[in-house]
Amino acid sequence: NAGVTQTPKFQVLKTGQSMTLQCAQDMNHNSMYWYRQDPGMGLRLIYYSASEGTTDKGEVPNGYNVSRLNKREFSLRLESAAPSQTSVYFCASSERTAPDTQYFGPGTRLTVL
Amino acid sequence: GDSVTQMEGPVTLSEEAFLTINCTYTATGYPSLFWYVQYPGEGLQLLLKATKADDKGSNKGFEATYRKETTSFHLEKGSVQVSDSAVYFCALGTSGTYKYIFGTGTRLKVLA
Repeated sequence: NAGVTQTPKFQVLKTGQSMTLQCAQDMNHNSMYWYRQDPGMGLRLIYYSASEGTTDKGEVPNGYNVSRLNKREFSLRLESAAPSQTSVYFCASSERTAPDTQYFGPGTRLTVL
Repeated sequence: GDSVTQMEGPVTLSEEAFLTINCTYTATGYPSLFWYVQYPGEGLQLLLKATKADDKGSNKGFEATYRKETTSFHLEKGSVQVSDSAVYFCALGTSGTYKYIFGTGTRLKVLA
């Protein structure tokens, strides 16, 4: 039982490049989330998907897009990367929306030069 | 809006010392409260949770009590081990909002 998986683990981009972060969960959870973690700022919600077929903006959505491909997969896309998007990105899932327990992936460390 | 405030770190303790990490919250509804732990290079994992006032969450020797009157959910452990070294996050989630609010995290370092 893998839980929540994320790819890649590490990525270095140049300013203006695009990339997609992949996330998948095998717990049959309805809700999925993308967070970024920056020093001294905790976790900030980028986008979430309360259920398959729906997505909504979180606290810091600018510069990102998401796709809930199916119940298992939730991807995060950076169309034109900027140095301010250097961060660690975490995907999470929960059976239902708040206040159910969230389960987190191992993270993707992204550096934008 | 809803918020979570937890004590600044880092907290450095000797093995077998008593641990308290303070967490207070503001919320308009009736949130559930969580403590998550993040070990180096890993994602967050649930440590314990409480869903209503006066509930006590406990796991691996850690405890926290949901205090509505003081809007607090302080994390405690009677005797820490080197393996407890990690970053601890306090969080809340309120039904109907679809969102979770996390504190900024408190880094704990336990010395042998």
